Amino acid sequence: SQTIHQWPATLVQPVGSPLSLECTVEGTSNPNLYWYRQAAGRGLQLLFYSVGIGQISSEVPQNLSASRPQDRQFILSSKKLLLSDSGFYLCAWSVGGNTGELFFGEGSRLTVL
Amino acid sequence: QKEVEQNSGPLSVPEGAIASLNCTYSDRGSQSFFWYRQYSGKSPELIMSIYSNGDKEDGRFTAQLNKASQYVSLLIRDSQPSDSATYLCAVNGGGSYIPTFGRGTSLIVHP
Repeated sequence: SQTIHQWPATLVQPVGSPLSLECTVEGTSNPNLYWYRQAAGRGLQLLFYSVGIGQISSEVPQNLSASRPQDRQFILSSKKLLLSDSGFYLCAWSVGGNTGELFFGEGSRLTVL
Repeated sequence: QKEVEQNSGPLSVPEGAIASLNCTYSDRGSQSFFWYRQYSGKSPELIMSIYSNGDKEDGRFTAQLNKASQYVSLLIRDSQPSDSATYLCAVNGGGSYIPTFGRGTSLIVHP
């Protein structure tokens, strides 16, 4: 069966510090991968999605970046965090193709102070 | 701009009642429709998918789709306190990798 792992689960970072969140999927090949952010009391905001290794599409231009170095690995990064980057970050995968059935990781809660 | 609208709630129902959650969408080309449940502090979990007009039942959950009226609903029968969560509606158009999510409806089931 397919599983998705995301880490770290919780982190508190000072403004201006770097960020790296990692996500891996097991039990499937060539998944679509997604990074979402959910601010407190807000909806899901799509940040990046990827349909293959090295293929990244950005939905929201900001100080975040994403990379997909391997088929089932998706990394979200920032060189310098802003206060507004605080939120609940969610990695998700779907079967390759045009479905909307997303399967989410456990999430990473980021607080920028 | 594709939009998915949900009443933010909270929708409060007594234990054992039927909870009815509704969602409307703007893109007439939408082909796939989903309901996710999100407990407080947790990630969303897919609970129902529906692709054609009519009803689809899975246990206590029934998804209803009406493409002509551009709405999709989720009925939860015999609601339990453990059903208390935010329910997200998502809609996907043909050829798209990206579902559009509504902002969710908060459901509270009180004993």
